[in-house]
Amino acid sequence: QVQLVQSGAEVKKPGASVKVSCKASGYTFTGYYMHWVRQAPGQGLEWMGWINPNSGGTNYAQKFQGRVTMTRDTSISTAYMELSRLRSDDTAVYYCARRYSSSGPSWYLYYFDYWGQGTLVTVSS
Amino acid sequence: DIQMTQSPSSLSASVGDRVTITCRASQSISSYLNWYQQKPGKAPKLLIYAASSLQSGVPSRFSGSGSGTDFTLTISSLQPEDFATYYCQQSYSTAWTFGQGTKLEIK
Repeated sequence: QVQLVQSGAEVKKPGASVKVSCKASGYTFTGYYMHWVRQAPGQGLEWMGWINPNSGGTNYAQKFQGRVTMTRDTSISTAYMELSRLRSDDTAVYYCARRYSSSGPSWYLYYFDYWGQGTLVTVSS
Repeated sequence: DIQMTQSPSSLSASVGDRVTITCRASQSISSYLNWYQQKPGKAPKLLIYAASSLQSGVPSRFSGSGSGTDFTLTISSLQPEDFATYYCQQSYSTAWTFGQGTKLEIK
């Protein structure tokens, strides 16, 4: 069965960096894009970007450009999200989510079909 | 980026009620609209994809409709386990975006 298992909670000081991992199992890791979504306490879902585990190509939300780096290690089926220059408003639960995709001559389907359990990142002095 | 606006932001309803949540996109997104349910402390769960297709295993009381800029999620007869927060999400553009969420509470 498909599983995405994320690393544990982190506490960081403002200005530091954090790197969250997402270990995939139960499917071919390189066959599905991995996205990252975060959720601040009591707030909604915010899309951060994606990585293509096959090529390593990435696409980041404009808000996070220059601060986020998504990487992967195909040998251990793990995706990573690193966020730098942390601020207090980066306190959030960070999720990885697998993108399901299907397409035809004039259509495509994209949605998140599996999610990690979430990693709480707390930024506090 | 495409902005997604849900209404209402919160909703009180009773078991057995029929409930409709609306999601509006800032530009046409065809049918590239998905709906998720999230319960406290849990990851979101896919309910509806491509505006109206029911994800496997999701009860048939959930349905979705719409295309272009206006979409709805309907729960035909609320069950106790349906009280949660619901999000729409567009996958039309390369930058995906979510609605702000609709919290469904027990009246």
